[in-house]
Amino acid sequence: SYELTQPPSVSVSPGQTASITCSGDKLGDKYACWYQQKPGLSPVLVIYKDTKRPSGIPERFSGSNSGNTATLTIGGTQAIDEADYYCQAWDSSTVVFGGGTKLTVL
Amino acid sequence: QVQLQESGPGLVKPSETLSLTCIVSGYSISSGYYWGWIRQPPGKGLEWIGSFSHSGNTYYSPSLRSRVTISVDTSKNQFSLKLSSVTAADTAVYYCARADLSGSLSYYAYYMDVWGKGTTVTVSS
Repeated sequence: SYELTQPPSVSVSPGQTASITCSGDKLGDKYACWYQQKPGLSPVLVIYKDTKRPSGIPERFSGSNSGNTATLTIGGTQAIDEADYYCQAWDSSTVVFGGGTKLTVL
Repeated sequence: QVQLQESGPGLVKPSETLSLTCIVSGYSISSGYYWGWIRQPPGKGLEWIGSFSHSGNTYYSPSLRSRVTISVDTSKNQFSLKLSSVTAADTAVYYCARADLSGSLSYYAYYMDVWGKGTTVTVSS
């Protein structure tokens, strides 16, 4: 079965750029999306189709996907961006999630 | 504004069947999109359970396929999840979500743009 691998944790200082990676075999040949989940809340879609932002998502969130790695980039990270982030792709008629990355802003 | 709301028992006994319903408001299920279930065990990541489309396509997680049934009641604009023979490992927050699946050949995008608030299900005797 297809697997997506994320680092368990990423730390960033306020105002700096945070990058969260998601690795999978030939992931660049698939579309990736990203969800943000804060404690006790439902996930929120922040990037879909590799690079697109849903309405209402700040411009500081951006995405890329090439080769074996998709990347979620948060420019000018703010304290409110501290959350768990999950990547997700579609493979062989199934939804695959990455294990999640806890982003700490300190 | 599309809204989804999960409902069902918060406690299920081992070996029994877990049954949940997702009530959709603000959009007719029969008009389009995919609709599905996702769960999250305590302190762990997201796990997809399965999805169906308004046109009748249904997809299930390979690891849960033998125990899962997703059905729809378009007259009530709701869909349901049944998970049989539950164990403590099925204890989780269960979410329903709307999804879009589009693409061609092997290049498909599936993403979930509207989620319910989730409902906690505990499997215990």
